[in-house]
Amino acid sequence: EDKVVQSPLSLVVHEGDTVTLNCSYEVTNFRSLLWYKQEKKAPTFLFMLTSSGIEKKSGRLSSILDKKELFSILNITATQTGDSAVYLCAVPGRVANAGGTSYGKLTFGQGTILTVHP
Amino acid sequence: GAVVSQHPSRVICKSGTSVKIECRSLDFQATTMFWYRQFPKQSLMLMATSNEGSKATYEQGVEKDKFLINHASLTLSTLTVTSAHPEDSSFYICSATAGVWRSNNEQFFGPGTRLTVL
Repeated sequence: EDKVVQSPLSLVVHEGDTVTLNCSYEVTNFRSLLWYKQEKKAPTFLFMLTSSGIEKKSGRLSSILDKKELFSILNITATQTGDSAVYLCAVPGRVANAGGTSYGKLTFGQGTILTVHP
Repeated sequence: GAVVSQHPSRVICKSGTSVKIECRSLDFQATTMFWYRQFPKQSLMLMATSNEGSKATYEQGVEKDKFLINHASLTLSTLTVTSAHPEDSSFYICSATAGVWRSNNEQFFGPGTRLTVL
């Protein structure tokens, strides 16, 4: 069974701080690792990581994967109050339908609740 | 990007009644849809995988007779919570994918349905 563990579970910082969120995983047939941001509704996609050591970057957010250590981190620099959210890490697993084709189903970590104070 | 809608966005019902939640892919054909449940301050937990034209695959611990899933067309999957009880109160989120998992963009989340059972 696939397993995803995130840490810390919650984090409180002030605007301008830099934060690092952690995600470790155990999965058979690893294909990718995904990061999502959730603000009181469904998750919104941030990054997909498939290769070790290659940093993905989007504005103040960046993420990197270590496939040897089965680990990923999400960094947010110069945090803003709008970054307050739950950050979720997930890995897709395979399921077979009646036709025999496999599709992804996501196993999520517990999430990290980030609170950024002004 | 692809759009997935859910209806209703919020529902309040009495204990013992049944509630139907719809998940629609608006601009693509979703061969597979996933139903997740999220309790307060917890992560998303996969309930079932819904494949068009075949029976849903339920995760361990999810009662298939209580959570009826129908995926009658390539754009619509429904989740019916039968004989709802207060412990079924949760945030229900669907996601849809068009085919074989290749990248993040092939799984799209609906906005979620918040169910409150009194």
